[in-house]
Amino acid sequence: AQSVTQPDIHITVSEGASLELRCNYSYGATPYLFWYVQSPGQGLQLLLKYFSGDTLVQGIKGFEAEFKRSQSSFNLRKPSVHWSDAAEYFCAVARYSGGGADGLTFGKGTHLIIQP
Amino acid sequence: ETGVTQSPTHLIKTRGQQVTLRCSSQSGHNTVSWYQQALGQGPQFIFQYYREEENGRGNFPPRFSGLQFPNYSSELNVNALELDDSALYLCASSLAGQGSYEQYFGPGTRLTVT
Repeated sequence: AQSVTQPDIHITVSEGASLELRCNYSYGATPYLFWYVQSPGQGLQLLLKYFSGDTLVQGIKGFEAEFKRSQSSFNLRKPSVHWSDAAEYFCAVARYSGGGADGLTFGKGTHLIIQP
Repeated sequence: ETGVTQSPTHLIKTRGQQVTLRCSSQSGHNTVSWYQQALGQGPQFIFQYYREEENGRGNFPPRFSGLQFPNYSSELNVNALELDDSALYLCASSLAGQGSYEQYFGPGTRLTVT
């Protein structure tokens, strides 16, 4: 079964500093990978996705992520964070059952705190 | 383009009762997935509906059931509520067959079981 690990429960970054959130996945074939962001009490917003091709993918709000097959990683980056980036970030991988892809398997999330 | 909507926003039920949560898909989408998100955790996949049939299921007991209607809206039903069912329930819609498998989430329904 597919799984996702986000090693950092909390990360604190100063406003204007760079950010990297880690994500490791477990899946035998090429995975479908996603990053979502969730503000308090809200649903999830898709930041970016990887299916195939270029391993560096660009998303919304200035975020990017790099797929590294050798490390089973899909880390999220942003060169300069803004106070509005404070939120919960979830990495996810598409799950596959006998009939094909259905739902998503999420990590436990990383809580991002922005210091002024 | 209309996004995913869910109702109600909040709900309080008593242990042992039954609850129905509703979801309207984003326009143009034909697949609906439901997730349970406990406090401080990532969402967990409950099941997915496509063409009005269950297309996949996570590790949830049969008292969690669902429906999808011809207009692609969906219901999640939970019978015999337990205290541990207290969570944010998220609905997500997607378009099967597009090859990208993106899911778009609604704002969720906060269920409290007392």
